Amino acid sequence: AQKITQTQPGMFVQEKEAVTLDCTYDTSDQSYGLFWYKQPSSGEMIFLIYQGSYDEQNATEGRYSLNFQKARKSANLVISASQLGDSAMYFCAMREGVSLIQGAQKLVFGQGTRLTINP
Amino acid sequence: DTEVTQTPKHLVMGMTNKKSLKCEQHMGHRAMYWYKQKAKKPPELMFVYSYEKLSINESVPSRFSPECPNSSLLNLHLHALQPEDSALYLCASSQDETRENIQYFGAGTRLSVL
Repeated sequence: AQKITQTQPGMFVQEKEAVTLDCTYDTSDQSYGLFWYKQPSSGEMIFLIYQGSYDEQNATEGRYSLNFQKARKSANLVISASQLGDSAMYFCAMREGVSLIQGAQKLVFGQGTRLTINP
Repeated sequence: DTEVTQTPKHLVMGMTNKKSLKCEQHMGHRAMYWYKQKAKKPPELMFVYSYEKLSINESVPSRFSPECPNSSLLNLHLHALQPEDSALYLCASSQDETRENIQYFGAGTRLSVL
């Protein structure tokens, strides 16, 4: 069963507009982490923002914020004042469990959303 | 500094060749990862090393052989690959002792198998 669902294969947005990228997830764990990564055409996966399942406040990092709705199991990425450099592939990912013991845990990615910012 | 360095950036190899991919980080991270990413697909986990020991192997064919010589270095040895192994290979590292355990990625190696 797919654990991370990104329903928007592609999005086109005008420069300076805000954009919301959708992500829903499925887990039976109480403790988990949600991540957003940006992948430009160069290939590097750039970490954007993290939300823990026990975090009461929505995460924010500069122009990026995460709209976390736990009951609906959604973790949408909001980019404010979009820029041409924001054009890239965006992946939502989830890590289940708590990583406080030796032995790293798996990160599961959604299929991604290709965002294009138009001038 | 969240830099993970991968070399080479591009690699073309024949099916009978032996080559290696290299990944290096100097952030003091104790977990390192190899992912494979086909075009227009998300990354798929291959291997995880934690404290220089293999922690996860996602049933990867034996023609891929990982190695972690020390806590800063991760290699992926390639032998007798198939054309379908052509992909972007991404390395990542994480602290593995923090609640977030954020994985930081390198720029990847684009591999073409002829």
